[in-house]
Amino acid sequence: QVQLQESGPGLVKPSETLSLTCAVSGDSISSNHWDWIRQPPGKGLEWIGFVSYSGNTKYNPSLRSRVTMSVDTSKNHVSLKLTSVTAADTAVYYCARDYSGSGIDLDYWGQGTLVTVSS
Amino acid sequence: QSVLTQPPSVSAAPGQKVTISCSGSSSNIGKNYVSWYQQLPGTAPKLLIYDNNKRPSGTPDRFSGSKSGTSATLGITGLQTGDEADYYCETWDSSLSAVIFGGGTKLTVL
Repeated sequence: QVQLQESGPGLVKPSETLSLTCAVSGDSISSNHWDWIRQPPGKGLEWIGFVSYSGNTKYNPSLRSRVTMSVDTSKNHVSLKLTSVTAADTAVYYCARDYSGSGIDLDYWGQGTLVTVSS
Repeated sequence: QSVLTQPPSVSAAPGQKVTISCSGSSSNIGKNYVSWYQQLPGTAPKLLIYDNNKRPSGTPDRFSGSKSGTSATLGITGLQTGDEADYYCETWDSSLSAVIFGGGTKLTVL
């Protein structure tokens, strides 16, 4: 059973860096691509980007200048960093397994973690 | 404003059929596969349909997907109260070079 679990601070101050980790169990990080998606409260889904086991990345152009994704195969987890956050970055952040590497076949999702940007 | 257009809401009675449309363009739906996700209240999205019309194991055959030109449609038959959720279409946009989601459709089973 593949399981993903996001973790990180629930509160980040404006202009600081949001850092999240997604721990993967039941599957190897080396087998797939891994995506991050976010959902502002009461709103729709926004794709942030994906990272492959080899560290190749593809980011949403609207966030590219502020996003970094990485993998740690020794810990079997993926990480997301988003710099210079504002209130507009307040959202539930999800990680998901991307089995085809296309970004559109996200077959396992974490439960999500709410990150609030506020001073 | 989403690049993919979905109706904000649809409703139907239990046992009935409903369709949810997703309208795009030649740079997204017109040339790429479409996926559909179901998001039950307070939970993470779940992959419902991939590659336009394929069902992952676990998706009941009451759910179907189709694509024609620059539009895609999710169909649900034999509606159940447990189907009440938000539904999102998703595809790749070759011009934006990004994954895009529709704005979501809230299904109410009356």
